[in-house]
Amino acid sequence: DGGITQSPKYLFRKEGQNVTLSCEQNLNHDAMYWYRQDPGQGLRLIYYSQIVNDFQKGDIAEGYSVSREKKESFPLTVTSAQKNPTAFYLCASIPRTGYLYGYTFGSGTRLTVV
Amino acid sequence: GQQLNQSPQSMFIQEGEDVSMNCTSSSIFNTWLWYKQDPGEGPVLLIALYKAGELTSNGRLTAQFGITRKDSFLNISASIPSDVGIYFCAGMNYGGSQGNLIFGKGTKLSVKP
Repeated sequence: DGGITQSPKYLFRKEGQNVTLSCEQNLNHDAMYWYRQDPGQGLRLIYYSQIVNDFQKGDIAEGYSVSREKKESFPLTVTSAQKNPTAFYLCASIPRTGYLYGYTFGSGTRLTVV
Repeated sequence: GQQLNQSPQSMFIQEGEDVSMNCTSSSIFNTWLWYKQDPGEGPVLLIALYKAGELTSNGRLTAQFGITRKDSFLNISASIPSDVGIYFCAGMNYGGSQGNLIFGKGTKLSVKP
């Protein structure tokens, strides 16, 4: 079955460390997105990519980095510059055509700083 | 960034009651979407609306695309415990930076058996 796979489900990071969250999709979708979710704050856009080797900053990109070397993959790195990284992170994708059904989301990664 | 105004923020209801939530925007959208997020999971699409005035049902769920194209509502009838979760509205305009959804902050629904 096609879908989006986020891994790991739970991730613990020590202060000062960089960590990378994985997002892989086999839906042949063109665009991919990363959102951060904090209680009561909804979904905030971190980065998005509409084609391979290209990506744009969202509303809260500071302290994060991404790459899009393959259509299927859009990993997110949470760097030590992100001062409050504890949150639930969601990856999503959408095709260039047939996009009227909105995003398909992954099941999320919960990152905790220890 | 732009966000939709979604209300209420949270609801505590008794099993069997009906639920209503809505989203408003200062901008016009071509498409309104409603998602449900179960605890610890990603949001899943419930209903998509494409025309002003459109009323669409999916089981016990009914959603409407406002005539002004600046609002939408979602109703859940005869709620059950598995309705618990966060409901998000999202607006989208195709063309331009298509595929960039604007989300509301969510309505957290709790159902007492």
